[in-house]
Amino acid sequence: DGGITQSPKYLFRKEGQNVTLSCEQNLNHDAMYWYRQDPGQGLRLIYYSQIVNDFQKGDIAEGYSVSREKKESFPLTVTSAQKNPTAFYLCASSIVQNSNQPQHFGDGTRLSIL
Amino acid sequence: QKEVEQDPGPLSVPEGAIVSLNCTYSNSAFQYFMWYRQYSRKGPELLMYTYSSGNKEDGRFTAQVDKSSKYISLFIRDSQPSDSATYLCAMSKIQGAQKLVFGQGTRLTINP
Repeated sequence: DGGITQSPKYLFRKEGQNVTLSCEQNLNHDAMYWYRQDPGQGLRLIYYSQIVNDFQKGDIAEGYSVSREKKESFPLTVTSAQKNPTAFYLCASSIVQNSNQPQHFGDGTRLSIL
Repeated sequence: QKEVEQDPGPLSVPEGAIVSLNCTYSNSAFQYFMWYRQYSRKGPELLMYTYSSGNKEDGRFTAQVDKSSKYISLFIRDSQPSDSATYLCAMSKIQGAQKLVFGQGTRLTINP
């Protein structure tokens, strides 16, 4: 079955620690995205990537970093500079070429502070 | 003012009722409109995807877009308890790597 796999499902971060959230897709989609979801605020875009080895900041990129070394993978690192990291993190992907195709989402990683 | 406004609810209706969920937006550049359903502790699942104004129907779901009023709606007919979820509207302006703008989401409960 094609889809988007996020791991781990739950993650805990200590003060001053960087943590990395995994996102893998086997849909052969070009574009991948990371969103943060907080209660009552909807989804906010952190980073997105249209192609391997290229990515752009979204609306709330501060304190986060990404890489896109493979088409299938788009890991997100939550750095110690992100002072309020507790949230539900969602990865998405979409086709880019020829038309505006909707994004499809994984089942998220819930990050909490210890 | 947020670009996309959505009443967070919660909204509670009896089974079998018609449900109307709505979003308003301020930027006339939005052209592509989506509705996602999100169950608790899961990722959003695409329900409906429309371009420009008009209606689109898929089973018990109808999406409506009124660009002149900057208003979109999702109607659910013959609502079922399994429809209980948070419904998110989303919209985008451009082709390619679309930057979606989401509403807050409306939490819906269908009571048996």
